[in-house]
Amino acid sequence: QKEVEQNSGPLSVPEGAIASLNCTYSDRVSQSFFWYRQYSGKSPELIMSIYSNGDKEDGRFTAQLNKASQYVSLLIRDSQPSDSATYLCAVRGAGNMLTFGGGTRLMVKP
Amino acid sequence: GAGVSQSPRYKVAKRGQDVALRCDPISGHVSLFWYQQALGQGPEFLTYFQNEAQLDKSGLPSDRFFAERPEGSVSTLKIQRTQQEDSAVYLCASRSRGQGGTGELFFGEGSRLTVL
Repeated sequence: QKEVEQNSGPLSVPEGAIASLNCTYSDRVSQSFFWYRQYSGKSPELIMSIYSNGDKEDGRFTAQLNKASQYVSLLIRDSQPSDSATYLCAVRGAGNMLTFGGGTRLMVKP
Repeated sequence: GAGVSQSPRYKVAKRGQDVALRCDPISGHVSLFWYQQALGQGPEFLTYFQNEAQLDKSGLPSDRFFAERPEGSVSTLKIQRTQQEDSAVYLCASRSRGQGGTGELFFGEGSRLTVL
């Protein structure tokens, strides 16, 4: 079992809809959680970080964390075709490195 | 520089050749990470430096992989006797703070290695 699990997708949503991306992790001592967006052929870029249980909103993005369930999610409201990319969930435990999931490919159809 | 710079962007090697991949992190960044990303997969951790010290090399897949950061800035990832399974994008990332610190991880554009 991988330490960070994501559905590989593709997740297809119509333009203007809410896209919901999910991630589970296995290490209970994980402290920090991140969502990265990666366009094809490009490097990952950070879009959200979350450190405590609950919701964190930033523009059209909302990250949700539930440490008891070892679950983190990303909601994208009013999805745009430019949001089409692979979304990587990353978790930082007691060490220094981030452990990434395999990514979920999101396709937003006009 | 303004961001993390990696070179070469693309490298084609024949099986058995040695390759060297360079990473120039953001100036002043203490932490430097190397990741390997296979096609369609998420990045996999290879190794971590805090300044010139290699504090974690647990992700290096074999003794053919070697990384260094002798002066605490530029880092080189060397792969000896390349194999086809080494084909991947090698990502370098840096962070301003050291061990235990928070802060965003900034990635370079990656070096795409293809081993024929």
